[in-house]
Amino acid sequence: AQSVTQLGSHVSVSEGALVLLRCNYSSSVPPYLFWYVQYPNQGLQLLLKYTSAATLVKGINGFEAEFKKSETSFHLTKPSAHMSDAAEYFCAVSDLDGGSQGNLIFGKGTKLSVKP
Amino acid sequence: EAQVTQNPRYLITVTGKKLTVTCSQNMNHEYMSWYRQDPGLGLRQIYYSMNVEVTDKGDVPEGYKVSRKEKRNFPLILESPSPNQTSLYFCASRGQGHTEAFFGQGTRLTVV
Repeated sequence: AQSVTQLGSHVSVSEGALVLLRCNYSSSVPPYLFWYVQYPNQGLQLLLKYTSAATLVKGINGFEAEFKKSETSFHLTKPSAHMSDAAEYFCAVSDLDGGSQGNLIFGKGTKLSVKP
Repeated sequence: EAQVTQNPRYLITVTGKKLTVTCSQNMNHEYMSWYRQDPGLGLRQIYYSMNVEVTDKGDVPEGYKVSRKEKRNFPLILESPSPNQTSLYFCASRGQGHTEAFFGQGTRLTVV
């Protein structure tokens, strides 16, 4: 069965600093991985997705993530944080088991704070 | 515009009073699901549906019912709400294959 683990429930950075949000996955087969963002009082919005085409995936708002099979990781980064990046971020993996294909399995989320 | 629409956005109700949260998608997606979001627990799946008339339990189905009579609609029913069902609820839909899921704006439910 697939799973994801997000390290750090809260991350705080200064405006202009590097953003690094960590996600590790567990899967016996090549995974399909996603990062979602949730702004206050809103639903989840797709940031980017990995579907095996390229290991470095670029998303919206300047975010990118690199798939590293040897480390079973899919960390999210942004070179320079902006105040508007303050939100909760969720890593997710597609469930590949036959009976529940279509499910997304989510990590517990990381809340990003950006200090002026 | 592709979207998932949930109603209502906010709801305060009393213990035991049946309620329904509606969810509709306009993307002809086969797959739909309901999640609840609680602080520190992330998103937990309540029920999902692979297609019309096909539903299955997620991780936390107790106290909830769903139905999928039409492809576009997937209502969440609380027959007898209790205070521990106070939460933020999200509906999502997804097409075939490992495509992205689209989420509704959420329904914040308070049961007193």
